[in-house]
Amino acid sequence: DTAVSQTPKYLVTQMGNDKSIKCEQNLGHDTMYWYKQDSKKFLKIMFSYNNKELIINETVPNRFSPKSPDKAHLNLHINSLELGDSAVYFCASSQDIGGLDTQYFGPGTRLTVL
Amino acid sequence: DAKTTQPPSMDCAEGRAANLPCNHSTISGNEYVYWYRQIHSQGPQYIIHGLKNNETNEMASLIITEDRKSSTLILPHATLRDTAVYYCIVVNDYKLSFGAGTTVTVRA
Repeated sequence: DTAVSQTPKYLVTQMGNDKSIKCEQNLGHDTMYWYKQDSKKFLKIMFSYNNKELIINETVPNRFSPKSPDKAHLNLHINSLELGDSAVYFCASSQDIGGLDTQYFGPGTRLTVL
Repeated sequence: DAKTTQPPSMDCAEGRAANLPCNHSTISGNEYVYWYRQIHSQGPQYIIHGLKNNETNEMASLIITEDRKSSTLILPHATLRDTAVYYCIVVNDYKLSFGAGTTVTVRA
């Protein structure tokens, strides 16, 4: 059983398009996150949600909008895609908020904007 | 969060212990040391964490100096599957901040 799953694994699209990445966790965790890993391989947190409530928003452009329909899902919608959005996006979950609780990461979604 | 300094890369022979150093000289009293690793093209994976005492689990051991300004992650018997980027992160509850990590290559 996959603990944290993401779809799609690969996403290739044109500049200006709108796209969504989905994340689901079956661990029963209360907190979910989105991270971005750019071409230089630095992994940075974008958002975190706890019980469907936004907790962290790390000055991400408002073209990025996370949506949490329930505790097990955290989707990422991106409007008006730009070349600089090309990266690998990782979803993660943990039982509690913050860094002190072990985070479990999904396999990543590689987004390529042409 | 306190910043960490890790060597950019290191090699290790298969079957030998791998000792990964991390400096965190500005760590404060309530901050923990966490280690994650990222195998190529996969999501990061939790390894171990500690506050003051040395810790051991099925994956690794964590040795924290008495002044807490540095730590060492020990992989006791490295295998080829341990080839990955290893991240040392100092956490005080708010979030995980990943640095550049150490790229560990285990060679046969």
